[in-house]
Amino acid sequence: NAGVTQTPKFQVLKTGQSMTLQCAQDMNHNSMYWYRQDPGMGLRLIYYSASEGTTDKGEVPNGYNVSRLNKREFSLRLESAAPSQTSVYFCASRWETDNEQFFGPGTRLTVL
Amino acid sequence: GEDVEQSLFLSVREGDSSVINCTYTDSSSTYLYWYKQEPGAGLQLLTYIFSNMDMKQDQRLTVLLNKKDKHLSLRIADTQTGDSAIYFCAEGAINFNKFYFGSGTKLNVKP
Repeated sequence: NAGVTQTPKFQVLKTGQSMTLQCAQDMNHNSMYWYRQDPGMGLRLIYYSASEGTTDKGEVPNGYNVSRLNKREFSLRLESAAPSQTSVYFCASRWETDNEQFFGPGTRLTVL
Repeated sequence: GEDVEQSLFLSVREGDSSVINCTYTDSSSTYLYWYKQEPGAGLQLLTYIFSNMDMKQDQRLTVLLNKKDKHLSLRIADTQTGDSAIYFCAEGAINFNKFYFGSGTKLNVKP
């Protein structure tokens, strides 16, 4: 079991560029999440998906789009990157009736 | 979103007890959580407590919940250098798929 995997690990973008962060889990979890982690602010929920084919906004969704491609994969897209989106992005998943979220190792994104 | 507050740093000596504190605002939260983050890694769930409990003990970890004051604490007994990490408090209701995290407390354990 690989758990939750994320690609890429690091990325540098210029303002206005677009990119997609990939996340996959092999634990057959229904729920998947995207968070961003900024210094001194903890994790903030960007989007989540309670099941395949559904997505919902979290606390800070502006500037992002998501796709729940299938049960395993949940991607996060930045259409036009801004310096304010410089952050570490974490994907997580869990069973719908369980408390534990399993986190990926994170993607460190810098927007110049 | 909901406010979850933690102090930023804590430094202790190896073998001492560590107490990390957290306050939260949402009285409807079902569960309160403690996560650990080691450098360069994602968060790992350490323990959680249901909101109708006062205390939960799990080996070296003791969680205390004061629901009236909306105060949560994590005590680590016999702290080891391997416990050095960032500890996050979080609150949430699993039925609503919303989880709110504090900013994290960096624990430094000195040999």
